[in-house]
Amino acid sequence: GAGVSQSPSNKVTEKGKDVELRCDPISGHTALYWYRQSLGQGLEFLIYFQGNSAPDKSGLPSDRFSAERTGGSVSTLTIQRTQQEDSAVYLCASSLARRQGSGPKGYTFGSGTRLTVV
Amino acid sequence: GESVGLHLPTLSVQEGDNSIINCAYSNSASDYFIWYKQESGKGPQFIIDIRSNMDKRQGQRVTVLLNKTVKHLSLQIAATQPGDSAVYFCAENKGTDKLIFGTGTRLQVFP
Repeated sequence: GAGVSQSPSNKVTEKGKDVELRCDPISGHTALYWYRQSLGQGLEFLIYFQGNSAPDKSGLPSDRFSAERTGGSVSTLTIQRTQQEDSAVYLCASSLARRQGSGPKGYTFGSGTRLTVV
Repeated sequence: GESVGLHLPTLSVQEGDNSIINCAYSNSASDYFIWYKQESGKGPQFIIDIRSNMDKRQGQRVTVLLNKTVKHLSLQIAATQPGDSAVYFCAENKGTDKLIFGTGTRLQVFP
């Protein structure tokens, strides 16, 4: 597609349940990022995939959070045993492979998945 | 710890006036900065970027100023329009592909 697609756009789940959030990046973009945005807050880095390299998971807040990227394209962010503090908008972004000296200017964000844990 | 912060959470301006949105950063190793605009219900959109070897960069109606001495970044929007109403984020990059975002400033434009 023309942009980054995320699904679902909204998700309400009960505390303790597992959820899966999906991201379809722009075709040809080798880098994929997940960020979390709590209400009234900035974007918190979660995880970063670049091609076949090992993902940078340094931003994942706990072992309840995990992410996969299959075939270098679609990514799934999984949150196990959800807690109320997990409620936030989860944003995915993709970019072309970064050339040396260029910054992540080419980030394109999806519209996010709004997760509400009740 | 490292942070990218903003001086004002909300900025209200009259249509046609110029807007200035400020951002402070604490890591002198940051070498690349980006401003994003986020409208309600949408993901952030790239506005303009600047490298640490520059102190000013201009785009269409927008100018970014970087003062490395005081670790301060600003976004100036000329002739602010209702469509400029959004949350604006600055983000810093320190030579990796990860961006560190600030809290954001909400810009409200009044007729």
